[in-house]
Amino acid sequence: QSALTQPASVSGSPGQSITISCTGTSSDLGGYNYVSWYQQHPGKAPKLMIYDVSNRPSGISNRFSGSKSGNTASLTISGLQAEDEGDYYCSSYTSTGTRVVFGGGTKLTVL
Amino acid sequence: QVQLVQSGAEVKMPGASVKVSCKASGYTLTNYYMHWVRQAPGQGLEWMGIINPSGGGTAYAQKFQGRVTLTTDTSTSTVYMEFSSLRSEDTAVYYCARDLLGLRYCSGGSCYSFDYWGQGTLVTVSS
Repeated sequence: QSALTQPASVSGSPGQSITISCTGTSSDLGGYNYVSWYQQHPGKAPKLMIYDVSNRPSGISNRFSGSKSGNTASLTISGLQAEDEGDYYCSSYTSTGTRVVFGGGTKLTVL
Repeated sequence: QVQLVQSGAEVKMPGASVKVSCKASGYTLTNYYMHWVRQAPGQGLEWMGIINPSGGGTAYAQKFQGRVTLTTDTSTSTVYMEFSSLRSEDTAVYYCARDLLGLRYCSGGSCYSFDYWGQGTLVTVSS
């Protein structure tokens, strides 16, 4: 069982917006602004999409945005495109001995 | 361009050890932390540990403490992950991943976002 809780799947049509939630505790997500989001396509390594809750690395489209409220972080993808389909994982720094915890992943389907 | 190239797939017997390499190019190895993350088949991501290639300092997830060892060879810009006492549930793809900000700019939790990843190494543990 993953430390952070994500919905197993979300879907949306091209052009629409979707939001993926990620819920933790005060020991991880709620206690630090070190939330990251990764996109993973089948058979590929994860790709960093958002770091420190809402920052985009260089080269990441501004269609991707992140936010956090309390113990829940969110990734919003606007203007859905076919290439956005894949698995999305959230992660957070944690005060426990694990240092970093991940969510179980959310499969995004673009209809 | 930054590249992390990992060694090839391994098949190991239960109880054996495996050593996976991660060769960095396109940047100075000693300027960034390197992490190891694994992913069991069809499962999520799991952080294993971090190494400071500059000084060799390491930290490991509690779950893997005592079984995983991270080392660096700065002469070849290569980081190694050795994992011992392998069990069937250790069958997974193992990734090396570089921290985003680098030793100079990251602090505490900000050192735990990973911008470049290796291609992954499948380690299969089976009798």
